[in-house]
This record gives sequence, structure tokens and C-alpha cells, in this order.
Amino acid sequence: QKEVEQDPGPLSVPEGAIVSLNCTYSNSAFQYFMWYRQYSRKGPELLMYTYSSGNKEDGRFTAQVDKSSKYISLFIRDSQPSDSATYLCAMRPSGGSYIPTFGRGTSLIVHP
Amino acid sequence: DTAVSQTPKYLVTQMGNDKSIKCEQNLGHDTMYWYKQDSKKFLKIMFSYNNKELIINETVPNRFSPKSPDKAHLNLHINSLELGDSAVYFCASSFRADPNLQYFGPGTRLTVT
Repeated sequence: QKEVEQDPGPLSVPEGAIVSLNCTYSNSAFQYFMWYRQYSRKGPELLMYTYSSGNKEDGRFTAQVDKSSKYISLFIRDSQPSDSATYLCAMRPSGGSYIPTFGRGTSLIVHP
Repeated sequence: DTAVSQTPKYLVTQMGNDKSIKCEQNLGHDTMYWYKQDSKKFLKIMFSYNNKELIINETVPNRFSPKSPDKAHLNLHINSLELGDSAVYFCASSFRADPNLQYFGPGTRLTVT
């Protein structure tokens, strides 16, 4: 079992839909949780990160962490075709190696 | 004004050759990274440098040798290329104090034939 599991998709939704992207993990030491967006043939770019459990909102994006279930989510409201990309979750402990462990990414397609 | 740049963007070469990829960042960061993204999209750390000093060296064949001439540059040299080296290689940078906020380059797509 990989440390971070993420369904590769693709997830296809109509424009305007609410999108839910998820990751599960096995390492209870993870404290920082990040979401990256990667457009085709580009490098990943950080969308947002959270520390420990709870929610964080940034515009149409909401990140949610449930440490008791080892489950994190990214919600996208009012999805747009420009949101079509691969979304990678990443996480790391607060101490020790500060290198994040990445999920394999979920491919999202928002069709007009 | 590109924050993290890599050259070349595409590299097609034959098995057994030696090749280099260059990375430069103009963000003033003190830490730089090399990642490999395979065909299944897994992004795996290879190396990390802080102020020109190697601090992370994951289980990578010693055919791969990183070099950091200064904290704005991190190059990757690969000897005796193998088919399995085909992947996209990403350079990234951050401040060591904030490793969550990494900026990635556009990637170098390496194809070994």
C-alpha cells in the first residue's frame, strides 16, 4: 500500500458543478497537507496548504483535512473549463524530512 | 519573467549517452530540488540542495549526479542513460523555512530510445 493514495480518474464534470477530489494516507505523522494543480505539459503549482485538521478556503477552493480518518479533500465550487488539470495532493510531517510525499494525481475534466 | 526555468524542455537521446539538464531560479530561494515524474504521474524526489549543499539524496542510481554551482542553479547530469530513465524531470525551489511552498519549473521531458 502506497503512503498516499489518490484515484487517477479521469473525473469528468459539467461546468458549474461542485468537484470533490480526495486523498487517503497511511502515515499518521503527516501534518502539512498540500494541493497542487498541474496543467498538461506544465509543472505543478501550489494551490493551497493546511496544517493539521480543519478547513481552509481560498476563493472557489476549499481544502479539508480529517486526520482521524486520514482523509483529505479539495472542493472546487462553480467549476470552470479552465480548472481542467491534474490535481496532486502532497503531505509531509512537521519534523524530520521536509520533502512532501505526493499522490499520483487526479485528472479533472470540466466540459462546457 | 520566469521564476524557475529549465533547459532543455525536450531531450531525445539514445541508450548509453550522457546528458545534462539545467535549472535556474530567480526567486532568491535557498533550496532547490530535482523530482522525477514517471508515466503514471508519480512525482518522486531525487535530490535537494540547500545553499549549494546536498541535503537529500534519495535512492537514485549513482549515474545521476546533481551539481549546484550557486544557490540559484541546480544541474542534473545523467551518465549511461537507460530506457527506464525516460520521464519528466522537474526542478523546484523554495525557502528552506517554508518547504510547503515549492515553485516548480516547466519540466524536461526525457525520452531514451
